[in-house]
Amino acid sequence: DQQVKQNSPSLSVQEGRISILNCDYTNSMFDYFLWYKKYPAEGPTFLISISSIKDKNEDGRFTVFLNKSAKHLSLHIVPSQPGDSAVYFCAARSYGSGNTGKLIFGQGTTLQVKP
Amino acid sequence: GAGVSQTPSNKVTEKGKYVELRCDPISGHTALYWYRQSLGQGPEFLIYFQGTGAADDSGLPNDRFFAVRPEGSVSTLKIQRTERGDSAVYLCASSLRDNTDTQYFGPGTRLTVL
Repeated sequence: DQQVKQNSPSLSVQEGRISILNCDYTNSMFDYFLWYKKYPAEGPTFLISISSIKDKNEDGRFTVFLNKSAKHLSLHIVPSQPGDSAVYFCAARSYGSGNTGKLIFGQGTTLQVKP
Repeated sequence: GAGVSQTPSNKVTEKGKYVELRCDPISGHTALYWYRQSLGQGPEFLIYFQGTGAADDSGLPNDRFFAVRPEGSVSTLKIQRTERGDSAVYLCASSLRDNTDTQYFGPGTRLTVL
């Protein structure tokens, strides 16, 4: 049962344009969402997060949007740069009593930004 | 400062052998997580330590897998009677205090079981 899904295995965009990576989830108990970026032979690196009480969080070129009713979130990168080429993972977790903070990850989307 | 480190970076073993994978968390981080990432998939949770104790081991796939953190710092993931299906990248992450803090990942150990 895949609770967090990234349905696009790969995405290719031109440098300077917008990259939009999508993520869907099924568990309504999730109340915190994160995006991690991963380069080959390295561990995932935290990028940006959003709490379920918000619908948008912005950090420089990166913005995450959350649509709770649709159980959907997206990561926007504007403008995209070749150094953004990596695998992006969406992750979710639940807060609250008894929850240990374990992250549930999607399958990842490989982003390629072409110069 | 130093990030999370994991050793070895690569481990090749034969089916049926025992392996140990080590994780050194960021200094001062009390929470430690182990995940496993199979090819083409995202990381999957294995076990969570708060201090020395395993607060959640619900992700361990079976009793061949065991992890310890005896002094609340370094952790070792132990796999007995390895199977080919255990081949994956094993990732360790640590966070400062508890389940609400950002998890910082190490580079992983790539385990190959022949």
